[in-house]
Amino acid sequence: GQQVMQIPQYQHVQEGEDFTTYCNSSTTLSNIQWYKQRPGGHPVFLIQLVKSGEVKKQKRLTFQFGEAKKNSSLHITATQTTDVGTYFCAGIKAAGNKLTFGGGTRVLVKP
Amino acid sequence: DTEVTQTPKHLVMGMTNKKSLKCEQHMGHRAMYWYKQKAKKPPELMFVYSYEKLSINESVPSRFSPECPNSSLLNLHLHALQPEDSALYLCASRGTGVEKLFFGSGTQLSVL
Repeated sequence: GQQVMQIPQYQHVQEGEDFTTYCNSSTTLSNIQWYKQRPGGHPVFLIQLVKSGEVKKQKRLTFQFGEAKKNSSLHITATQTTDVGTYFCAGIKAAGNKLTFGGGTRVLVKP
Repeated sequence: DTEVTQTPKHLVMGMTNKKSLKCEQHMGHRAMYWYKQKAKKPPELMFVYSYEKLSINESVPSRFSPECPNSSLLNLHLHALQPEDSALYLCASRGTGVEKLFFGSGTQLSVL
């Protein structure tokens, strides 16, 4: 079945530094979504990428969809304490209808 | 109203109890989902309803019984659960032609 993997599992970041989390799918995706879940909270939609090679920015967050539509990345610049949480990628297989979540990257920020 | 409301927020039940989780949205979304999330794990899909009809059942044990009484409501009936069923149960909805999911805040379930 479809598998979506994320690395790293944990990311300890010094406040003000940049980091990137990566998402890889075993199958070609029709689109990929990113969600953020704060500690004790629920997943909140951040963005959706649909086109091959697409890059989207939201303030300090940059999202990229790979050319083969099998991988994606999230880059955060100048990390802040408000960035704490778990970031999940979630993909829908091409010609599929089920959203499969990656394992998540849990981000801890050191002030 | 862009919220998905879940009740109760917390539930403790014994293995012989019968309980129900409720989910409500008034965004006109016609797809509704139940996910199960264990601590430090991603959400795992359980059921999908599309236009009030069950469209996906991810081989969930029959002790979990979903119900969609109308387009705004989604229930999950629980009976004879096991301690390993303890988890955060998340409801989500999705609008037609839109892929993103709106999640409720979840029900934290403990089975004793």
